[in-house]
Amino acid sequence: GQNIDQPTEMTATEGAIVQINCTYQTSGFNGLFWYQQHAGEAPTFLSYNVLDGLEEKGRFSSFLSRSKGYSYLLLKELQMKDSASYLCAVRPPEGGKLIFGQGTELSVKP
Amino acid sequence: DAGITQSPRHKVTETGTPVTLRCHQTENHRYMYWYRQDPGHGLRLIHYSYGVKDTDKGEVSDGYSVSRSKTEDFLLTLESATSSQTSVYFCAISETPDMNEQYFGPGTRLTVT
Repeated sequence: GQNIDQPTEMTATEGAIVQINCTYQTSGFNGLFWYQQHAGEAPTFLSYNVLDGLEEKGRFSSFLSRSKGYSYLLLKELQMKDSASYLCAVRPPEGGKLIFGQGTELSVKP
Repeated sequence: DAGITQSPRHKVTETGTPVTLRCHQTENHRYMYWYRQDPGHGLRLIHYSYGVKDTDKGEVSDGYSVSRSKTEDFLLTLESATSSQTSVYFCAISETPDMNEQYFGPGTRLTVT
């Protein structure tokens, strides 16, 4: 079966750091993705992990532990524009299609 | 931005009517996908295509059919729309199945009354 869990909502303060967790139980694994989606807009790609460890891209970093079925997205120096939904998705071994979690709605407060 | 458009962007239709949504890409990507997004469920795959005339079902394919007669167009049809199909529909594309990201279209908001 496929199951991906993320917190539904999070709140953080402008300038702070926030970590959004994602746990997954899937029948096979070929990569984990994070997407950002602002209200009323399309998801946009943030990061991709296929090997264990940390991938850093500017203010955003993503971590993966395949043995634990766990990933997190770390957002530093939060800005108001980071208020959005963050989607965790797993790609199964056969590739192509993605399996998404329900998303985490992040609100950044002044 | 990847060249993906969806039409219509908004549609209101009545229960029992057929509806076709169109996804058009200018990237010449082989793989195309239709997702629906609902509160509490996230994005769920309806159908996908891995080439012209080659399609397969996703996790929520009941009540939907697709067609791909050209590389650039992927059509999603609701044969007889139901209120449970009220949703936001996103099309996505990728060049290969192992491509490190999928590019999403702007979405179509469909309301079935």
